[in-house]
Amino acid sequence: AQTVTQSQPEMSVQEAETVTLSCTYDTSESDYYLFWYKQPPSRQMILVIRQEAYKQQNATENRFSVNFQKAAKSFSLKISDSQLGDAAMYFCAYRGYNNNDMRFGAGTRLTVKP
Amino acid sequence: KAGVTQTPRYLIKTRGQQVTLSCSPISGHRSVSWYQQTPGQGLQFLFEYFSETQRNKGNFPGRFSGRQFSNSRSEMNVSTLELGDSALYLCASSLLGPVNEKLFFGSGTQLSVL
Repeated sequence: AQTVTQSQPEMSVQEAETVTLSCTYDTSESDYYLFWYKQPPSRQMILVIRQEAYKQQNATENRFSVNFQKAAKSFSLKISDSQLGDAAMYFCAYRGYNNNDMRFGAGTRLTVKP
Repeated sequence: KAGVTQTPRYLIKTRGQQVTLSCSPISGHRSVSWYQQTPGQGLQFLFEYFSETQRNKGNFPGRFSGRQFSNSRSEMNVSTLELGDSALYLCASSLLGPVNEKLFFGSGTQLSVL
């Protein structure tokens, strides 16, 4: 079974600085998708970034970028120029290529200090 | 375009009762997935419906069931409630299915079982 591990329960970053959130996963599949979701206090999960495993190029979305290491089964999220609004729970998630079942990590609570 | 709407936002029930939660997807979306979020187990996939048919089911007991209507609105039912069913229940919609598409989440229904 696929599992997703986020080893950092909490992280903090100074406003305008850069922070990296870690995620590792375990799978025997060769094709899959990886995601980072943000859950603010409003509870609504918001997609931050998505990576297709068959793409070697790391995905980027404005201040958010990933470091996808397929062989190491690692998928870290880098947030540059952190803003107060980035404070939230961040979940790493995995989904098989032909599977509708998304597996989530336990989450990392990010605090942004002014 | 309105987002994913879940009702009610909060619900308090007692053990042994049953509960029905509702999810209205984004207009035009035909896939609705349900997730349970608890502090201990994190986010876990319940099931996914597409065009009124359940396509995939997570590892939950038969007390958890769902359905989808012709307008794509979905309901989730939990019978014979247990204390451990206390959780945030999130639904997510997508156009054709979560396999290769972005999921849009609602703000969830917080269920407390006393």
